[in-house]
Amino acid sequence: DAKTTQPPSMDCAEGRAANLPCNHSTISGNEYVYWYRQIHSQGPQYIIHGLKNNETNEMASLIITEDRKSSTLILPHATLRDTAVYYCIVRALGAGGTSYGKLTFGQGTILTVHP
Amino acid sequence: GAVVSQHPSRVICKSGTSVKIECRSLDFQATTMFWYRQFPKQSLMLMATSNEGSKATYEQGVEKDKFLINHASLTLSTLTVTSAHPEDSSFYICSASRLGLTNTGELFFGEGSRLTVL
Repeated sequence: DAKTTQPPSMDCAEGRAANLPCNHSTISGNEYVYWYRQIHSQGPQYIIHGLKNNETNEMASLIITEDRKSSTLILPHATLRDTAVYYCIVRALGAGGTSYGKLTFGQGTILTVHP
Repeated sequence: GAVVSQHPSRVICKSGTSVKIECRSLDFQATTMFWYRQFPKQSLMLMATSNEGSKATYEQGVEKDKFLINHASLTLSTLTVTSAHPEDSSFYICSASRLGLTNTGELFFGEGSRLTVL
């Protein structure tokens, strides 16, 4: 799976949009971009994923550049509870087997939302 | 959404004892479960892939005789840390992939189990 690069930390004011970037310049055509987050001492939580189109759900929006070499996770109105480590992961999804679901976590971005 | 539950959430044991951690998928069947380990201020590291009805696949550097994995049913996988030592103290997290879900779906993670070996 392709590697990703994220800033180690970011700050955001409560109520403002948090924009978390991720570079994945070596992404392959069959690799999806996934975002998870991990609040302290909890298991990771799925946020959103996409292949090439922008995606939006109740938690966030995912903007993927046209060349797919980078993406941005947007939390439209950050709250204090959004303080967490955010992981951007790219993963190829093939024909099942043991590779399905195997995620390689990088260091992620520590997002701190302050009042 | 789908729920994965781990038990216990915290465990403290003496050095040399064995500890079992359970991972259950509560509302779906999971043919495959994954066990991760996370040391303080570090990212998650995959330990092994647990396949229902067959042997687990371990990542390089993970001792299969020390970290016993059993996936006896489609809703339960267990991780047993045998002869635990203080260096095994860590946060253990499982995840599950859903049987029948298309290959674009998300993984579901448990809440994690914090092991402290004295």
